[in-house]
Amino acid sequence: QSVLTQPPSVSGAPGQRVTISCTGSSSNIGTGYDVHWYQQLPGTAPKLLIYGNNNRPSGVPARFSGSKSGTSASLAITGLQAEDEADYYCQSYDSSLSGSVFGGGTKLTVL
Amino acid sequence: EVQLVESGGGLVQPGGSLRLSCAASGFIFSSYWMSWVRQAPGKGLEWVANIKQDGSEKYYVASVKGRFTISRDNAKNSLYLQMNSLRAEDTAVYYCASERFLEQFDYWGQGTLVTVSS
Repeated sequence: QSVLTQPPSVSGAPGQRVTISCTGSSSNIGTGYDVHWYQQLPGTAPKLLIYGNNNRPSGVPARFSGSKSGTSASLAITGLQAEDEADYYCQSYDSSLSGSVFGGGTKLTVL
Repeated sequence: EVQLVESGGGLVQPGGSLRLSCAASGFIFSSYWMSWVRQAPGKGLEWVANIKQDGSEKYYVASVKGRFTISRDNAKNSLYLQMNSLRAEDTAVYYCASERFLEQFDYWGQGTLVTVSS
C-alpha cells in the first residue's frame, strides 16, 4: 500500500490526451510539499519528468505537464506517442514519515 | 554529462551483508544530498535512505532502520549503502540518485540488483 495513490493503469490511442492522478494526504501533498513525476521505460532507470508540480527539466517535451490542487496532483500527456508507453510514478515528501514517498506507479499503454 | 554508476549487488543469504557503492561524475557531488531508492521485482519505487552533503544528517525508511547505513566520501565522489541482516523482502534493484532535499531526485544510476535468498 503506497502512501500516494495512483491508478494502476491508463491507456489511450496515439494523438489522444491522458491524465494520471496522484492522491496524497495532509502529511504530504496537502501540507504543501511539491509533487514530482518520473517516467520509467521498460528495463531502464526512472527519469525525472516533472518537478515542482509543473516544471519540465530540459529535454522533456511540452506534451508533458503537471498540476497540483489540495491533496492531489495530476500528470497530463497530450499528443500521445508510442514511445510514451512506460510506468509513471509521482513522488512527494511526507512529514510524518520524514522521508520521500512514491505512488504505486501507473502503467501507460498506447493502444 | 552526469553519471551515477552503482556496483556491489549480488546474491546473498538471509541474515547476510552487502555493501553497495555509487560512483558519481559530471556534477559537484559534494553539493548534493544523495539517496538510495529501491524497486522490488515487478513493484514500485521505494525511497530507502538519504544523506546530507557533508554527511551530518542521515534519514532512513522505517523498514531498514538499524540494519542499513548510508555514507559518502566526497573526496572520492562516492556514495555507499552498508546493508546488514538482509531479509528476503530487501530483494530489489537499488538505485542511487541525486536529491534536492525535500524535493525531487534529479539524476539516477542504472541500478544494481540485490537478491536475498538461500
